[in-house]
This record gives sequence, structure tokens and C-alpha cells, in this order.
Amino acid sequence: AQKITQTQPGMFVQEKEAVTLDCTYDTSDPSYGLFWYKQPSSGEMIFLIYQGSYDQQNATEGRYSLNFQKARKSANLVISASQLGDSAMYFCAMREGLRGDTNAGKSTFGDGTTLTVKP
Amino acid sequence: DAMVIQNPRYQVTQFGKPVTLSCSQTLNHNVMYWYQQKSSQAPKLLFHYYDKDFNNEADTPDNFQSRRPNTSFCFLDIRSPGLGDAAMYLCATSRVARGTFNYYEQYFGPGTRLTVT
Repeated sequence: AQKITQTQPGMFVQEKEAVTLDCTYDTSDPSYGLFWYKQPSSGEMIFLIYQGSYDQQNATEGRYSLNFQKARKSANLVISASQLGDSAMYFCAMREGLRGDTNAGKSTFGDGTTLTVKP
Repeated sequence: DAMVIQNPRYQVTQFGKPVTLSCSQTLNHNVMYWYQQKSSQAPKLLFHYYDKDFNNEADTPDNFQSRRPNTSFCFLDIRSPGLGDAAMYLCATSRVARGTFNYYEQYFGPGTRLTVT
């Protein structure tokens, strides 16, 4: 079974509107971290936002926020006020393991969502 | 600025000719990773170094090897590249703190795009 599922291969959004990119995950570890990365066409992966499994509040970083629903095992990325520069591939990733000891910090990535922002 | 550097950015090699990709970091992170990414797919972890400990993924072909001579540098060696090895190779680093619940993000280099002719 896939550990990270991104069900939207491609998404379109109008400039200045908000968009939600879906991510569901599967783990039996009580301790894990969820990450979102952006990959423009240039290829470099850029970290956007992080949510820890024990965090009480949803993470926010500027125009990015994470809608974390632990019981549903979902960690959707919300981008507010979309800009043309937001057009890129977006990956959701998870790092599991109690206290960082197991798996040595390995992350499992979803298949990604290609976001296109229309002017 | 602290960063992850990959050289070269573009590499063309011949079928079966060994090739080495390099990665260096100024972040002093204890973990370094190598990923293979094919077009429009998720990055696939090949292996990683946790400090000096090498960790190979079970499905990484023997054709792929890695070396980490010191904290700052890590190399990916492809002993006999095949056409199927053409891909973007991403190096990443991270802090991993043993005994804590902290999960730190990965910092990625710009990647090396490998072409096999």
C-alpha cells in the first residue's frame, strides 16, 4: 500500500485565487512528520511547510498553510492568493519513526501534483 | 549562503561507461541522500548516509554505489550506466537528531541530469 497518496495529477487555479492540494498518508507510527515540497521546472526541490504528528495547530508559512486532519490521515496544502510563480509540481512527503532513530530520516514521497496558475 | 551543490548540472555518458556525480554541502548536516527522479515521477531514494553509516535501499541496483569521504561531500557512482539510468539525480541533506521527536526538512541540490547515449 502506498504510504503517501496524492490523488490529483494536475490542478488548475486562477491567479489570486486559493487552491488546495490533497495528500493522504498511511502509517502506524505515532510519531511522524509531514512535508510539502515545490519543484519548479528547473528541477530543484524547495521545502515549503512542515507538520509534526504531535503538533496541536495547523502549520502556516506565509501563503502556505497545511490543513492537518490526523484522524483522517490527511495533510492538504492550501496556497492562498496564487501567483504565476506557483506553477510547479508539488510533492507531499512523510518521515516516520520514533524519535528520529528508525529509518534514519528517510522520507516517502507521493507522486506529486502539477499545479498550473492561469493569468 | 549555506547550500547543497551538485556537479555537474548536466552529464552525458555512454552506455556502460562509469560515471560519478558529486554533491557537497555547507549546512553541516549529518544525513545525505541520493534520489533518482524520472520525468514527472516522485523521487526514488537510492541510499543515504546517516553520519558515516551507509544505508542502501533494498531495490537499489548494485550498479549504483556511493561514497562519503567526509561530512561535506557525497558521491554517486554508476558503474555501468544503462539507458534506463537516464534521469535527474537529486542530492539532499538533513539534520536527524537521535532521541528526539524533531523532524527536519530536507535541503535539495539543483540536481544532475544524466543522459546515457
